[in-house]
Amino acid sequence: NAGVTQTPKFQVLKTGQSMTLQCAQDMNHNSMYWYRQDPGMGLRLIYYSASEGTTDKGEVPNGYNVSRLNKREFSLRLESAAPSQTSVYFCASSEVPIGGVWGMNTEAFFGQGTRLTVV
Amino acid sequence: KQEVTQIPAALSVPEGENLVLNCSFTDSAIYNLQWFRQDPGKGLTSLLLIQSSQREQTSGRLNASLDKSSGRSTLYIAASQPGDSATYLCATGRRALTFGSGTRLQVQP
Repeated sequence: NAGVTQTPKFQVLKTGQSMTLQCAQDMNHNSMYWYRQDPGMGLRLIYYSASEGTTDKGEVPNGYNVSRLNKREFSLRLESAAPSQTSVYFCASSEVPIGGVWGMNTEAFFGQGTRLTVV
Repeated sequence: KQEVTQIPAALSVPEGENLVLNCSFTDSAIYNLQWFRQDPGKGLTSLLLIQSSQREQTSGRLNASLDKSSGRSTLYIAASQPGDSATYLCATGRRALTFGSGTRLQVQP
């Protein structure tokens, strides 16, 4: 019953350092997502991957890159971390009908989050 | 672009009260809407998924409704308990979820 697993759970970076956040799901879902959550705000979409081999920008993609390594794994990379990227990062997955538009049964499942601090 | 708004932003009530949390969205071309619970420092737990054809979904003391035409969803919590204290988020979309900012609920014993 692992669902969506994120690593690491906590990370402190210095400004300018790089790192990759890892996400893996075991539900055989075709779509995966990366969100960030800042204090007092809801989640904002960074990037998503509707299917293996495809990625698309979300609302706040600047400063990030993603890789859909295979159907299970979707990583988020910060090439040069900035204090503004201090946030909690969530990965999610869902099974989306062919064509990429959500259907009535499409439900998203989330990981436990990665708390990132950039100093 | 979908925009999701939740009212109120925060709510503090005595134990036992029945509660209504509101969620509104701007683009009614959706198939479903999800309600989540988030405890402090934790991830998101899915509470209810309402399909647009269902209009209403129930799970225990929770009942959620969806009215696409008016762009609104409500989460009704019956007989609130201190254990219900958390932030409640609604989200909807067509290619990815757009979230509201949440309602932070505190139920006093």
